[in-house]
Amino acid sequence: GENVEQHPSTLSVQEGDSAVIKCTYSDSASNYFPWYKQELGKRPQLIIDIRSNVGEKKDQRIAVTLNKTAKHFSLHITETQPEDSAVYFCAASSTQGGAGSYQLTFGKGTKLSVIP
Amino acid sequence: SAVISQKPSRDICQRGTSLTIQCQVDSQVTMMFWYRQQPGQSLTLIATANQGSEATYESGFVIDKFPISRPNLTFSTLTVSNMSPEDSSIYLCSVGTGYNEQFFGPGTRLTVL
Repeated sequence: GENVEQHPSTLSVQEGDSAVIKCTYSDSASNYFPWYKQELGKRPQLIIDIRSNVGEKKDQRIAVTLNKTAKHFSLHITETQPEDSAVYFCAASSTQGGAGSYQLTFGKGTKLSVIP
Repeated sequence: SAVISQKPSRDICQRGTSLTIQCQVDSQVTMMFWYRQQPGQSLTLIATANQGSEATYESGFVIDKFPISRPNLTFSTLTVSNMSPEDSSIYLCSVGTGYNEQFFGPGTRLTVL
């Protein structure tokens, strides 16, 4: 099955700086890569995703890049703000049918702290 | 996006008892999933709730311990049976869209004494 590794486990940045979180996956059949933000006591919230037919996607201050050859993808947050402080999870899934399709395998999470 | 609710939001239970968690969506969805999130940990998929047929369980999870029902396209239940303190966790349902995104319910925080 799929295995997703996420680094770092914790990340502290000064407000206004950039933050980068990296994930690798093992299953070459995976073609959908979402990122979730989970604030303390809240549900995971989908913030951005990327599919294997594109290499980069951006939404305001957040962007995700995908390198299919190396099987890794990254989340980039620019101009960080205190409200970006949360745990971020990457995930991977395959949509190609068969057993396990559409199921998300999550990384272990990154706790991001933005220091004012 | 769909509005997802779960009941109860939290519960404290005695060991050996069972708890049924409900997940309700305000629109019909094809895919529903159940996850467990232990304190400070990531999300682990328990099973895919299939409408009209038996749920598909992930390795390490069995139907006798986590029976799941999905009678229609808007509702599912997860039962945590014969509970022990190790079952203390947050249980989340999620729904899948036709574009593969998954959106999560608010979760049920379970404490087993």
